[in-house]
Amino acid sequence: DTGVSQDPRHKITKRGQNVTFRCDPISEHNRLYWYRQTLGQGPEFLTYFQNEAQLEKSRLLSDRFSAERPKGSFSTLEIQRTEQGDSAMYLCASSLNAYEQYFGPGTRLTVT
Amino acid sequence: AQTVTQSQPEMSVQEAETVTLSCTYDTSESNYYLFWYKQPPSRQMILVIRQEAYKQQNATENRFSVNFQKAAKSFSLKISDSQLGDTAMYFCASLNDYKLSFGAGTTVTVRA
Repeated sequence: DTGVSQDPRHKITKRGQNVTFRCDPISEHNRLYWYRQTLGQGPEFLTYFQNEAQLEKSRLLSDRFSAERPKGSFSTLEIQRTEQGDSAMYLCASSLNAYEQYFGPGTRLTVT
Repeated sequence: AQTVTQSQPEMSVQEAETVTLSCTYDTSESNYYLFWYKQPPSRQMILVIRQEAYKQQNATENRFSVNFQKAAKSFSLKISDSQLGDTAMYFCASLNDYKLSFGAGTTVTVRA
């Protein structure tokens, strides 16, 4: 059974560096979401794709953040010039419909 | 915007007993979905149970059931016959279009 996968699972980077995360959704899912979860909190919505179109970006997603889903399959989330406040778990989810989102294991980012 | 509030940061329950987690939400939508997600330690988030607001009957999934009080905007989760594997963080969430809004979570510890 191939669920949502994310790579890498953990990333440690120095402040100011760029990082890129990848998400592979469940194969037939046309909707893909990114959320961010800080320690002890619930996830917060970042952005949403339907096929290759990015339909919404949260205000949490500053200009340093960019997400793509070039062929409507996998997605990447890039953070430029990382800051310590970017340290969090980045979760990807996918779905066929809006009300059944399946989450991946997340990428834990630590900015030192 | 939708807000979800979980007022119990931590709950502890003896194995085989019952525990109830509370959640309140705020929405201006007439039809919406509510969810409980489980996030075990260092593992990915999984959907426990879903409730559609227009359905009056409370959702049930095996040992998990909800008490949905639409007028009070309350959505509690009952875990019956608690098992050690139920130890996890539980998040209440509401769906606004395609975005999930999560509460801060309740950590449930099942004691042997």
